[in-house]
Amino acid sequence: QSVLTQPPSVSGAPGQRVTISCTGSSSNIGAGYDVHWYQQLPGTAPKLLIYGNSNRPSGVPDRFSGSKSGTSASLAITGLQAEDEADYYCQSYDSSSWVFGGGTKLTVL
Amino acid sequence: QAHLVQSGSELKKPGASVKVSCKASGYTFTSYAMNWVRQAPGQGLEWMGWINTNTRNPTYAQGFTGRFVFSLDTSVSTAYLQISSLKAEDTAVYYCARGEGHSGSYYHRYWGQGTLVTVSS
Repeated sequence: QSVLTQPPSVSGAPGQRVTISCTGSSSNIGAGYDVHWYQQLPGTAPKLLIYGNSNRPSGVPDRFSGSKSGTSASLAITGLQAEDEADYYCQSYDSSSWVFGGGTKLTVL
Repeated sequence: QAHLVQSGSELKKPGASVKVSCKASGYTFTSYAMNWVRQAPGQGLEWMGWINTNTRNPTYAQGFTGRFVFSLDTSVSTAYLQISSLKAEDTAVYYCARGEGHSGSYYHRYWGQGTLVTVSS
């Protein structure tokens, strides 16, 4: 059981907007530690999607955006595409350890 | 552009040991720490710890002490993960990932392709 809680699954139709939440506590996100997001396509290694709460590495489309408020963070994906179907993980810091959320499976209907 | 290439899949018997390698290229190896992440079948990502590539000092996450050892060969820009006394529950894909940032904002920009370790009699 991770200290960062994500919904197990979300879904959306092509072109729609979806959000994935990452809920923490006062010992991690709420303590001011940044949140980062990773995308893991089926059978591949994770890929950095968002770092420092809201920054996109070069090459990541601006359809992906991140935000953080209080003890939670969110990943938003607009203009949903079939190739966005993947697992998404948030990551932060807690108790001398870097921690990942449990992951969210995004299904594009 | 940094690149991490890991060694191939391993099939081991319970009680044996395995050593996974992670060869880095495209950057100065000692400028960034190397992290290890485990992903059991059908499960999420689990941070195992990291090794300071300058001091060689490893830090292990809770649950990864004792049987897990991180090491380096800086002459060939390679990090290693050794697991001893293997158990069935060690079956997983193991990733190396280059760490970046600072303690308040630390992330993994580059990842190896993963190494599947299967423990079965």
